[in-house]
Amino acid sequence: GNSVTQMEGPVTLSEEAFLTINCTYTATGYPSLFWYVQYPGEGLQLLLKATKADDKGSNKGFEATYRKETTSFHLEKGSVQVSDSAVYFCALRTGGGNKLTFGTGTQLKVEL
Amino acid sequence: GAGVSQSPSNKVTEKGKDVELRCDPISGHTALYWYRQSLGQGLEFLIYFQGNSAPDKSGLPSDRFSAERTGGSVSTLTIQRTQQEDSAVYLCASSTPRSGTDTQYFGPGTRLTVL
Repeated sequence: GNSVTQMEGPVTLSEEAFLTINCTYTATGYPSLFWYVQYPGEGLQLLLKATKADDKGSNKGFEATYRKETTSFHLEKGSVQVSDSAVYFCALRTGGGNKLTFGTGTQLKVEL
Repeated sequence: GAGVSQSPSNKVTEKGKDVELRCDPISGHTALYWYRQSLGQGLEFLIYFQGNSAPDKSGLPSDRFSAERTGGSVSTLTIQRTQQEDSAVYLCASSTPRSGTDTQYFGPGTRLTVL
């Protein structure tokens, strides 16, 4: 079956630090990959996605590259801000299905 | 434009009572999903509706859970004889599925607390 594994949080960084949140997956077929973000008190929002191998999704300074050879979709940002504090979820969807399979989420705290 | 809305935002109920949670998807979205977010289980898929097709109920945890989607729009998730382990945030999402480009848009969720 499908599964997503994320690094456990919380991850605490100083402002302007480099961020990496690891995500690896197991899937049948060729999945589409997603990062969702949940800001405090808000609903889940799509942050970025990639639908095929070697694609790079990017948004708001965040990037993630679909690595088929390592079955990974690590989230990176070069310089985090306090406003990036949130919970980040990695997710996948296989081509023949519709439901999203989520990782457990990684809480990011950015401090001044 | 309006996003996915859910009501109520919070629901506190006593063990054994039935509850109904409502989801209004984005207008024109043919697909509707229910997920559950709980401390012990993370985000879990519950049920999926697509147009007039039979729903995918593969994620429903027990027969106490059911959902309807009337007129291809509004959906209601019903939990009968609630148990404390049903306490969670119930999330609804909608989308317009197209091959390889489906993006699910989530509502703010309903926080259910079973006492």
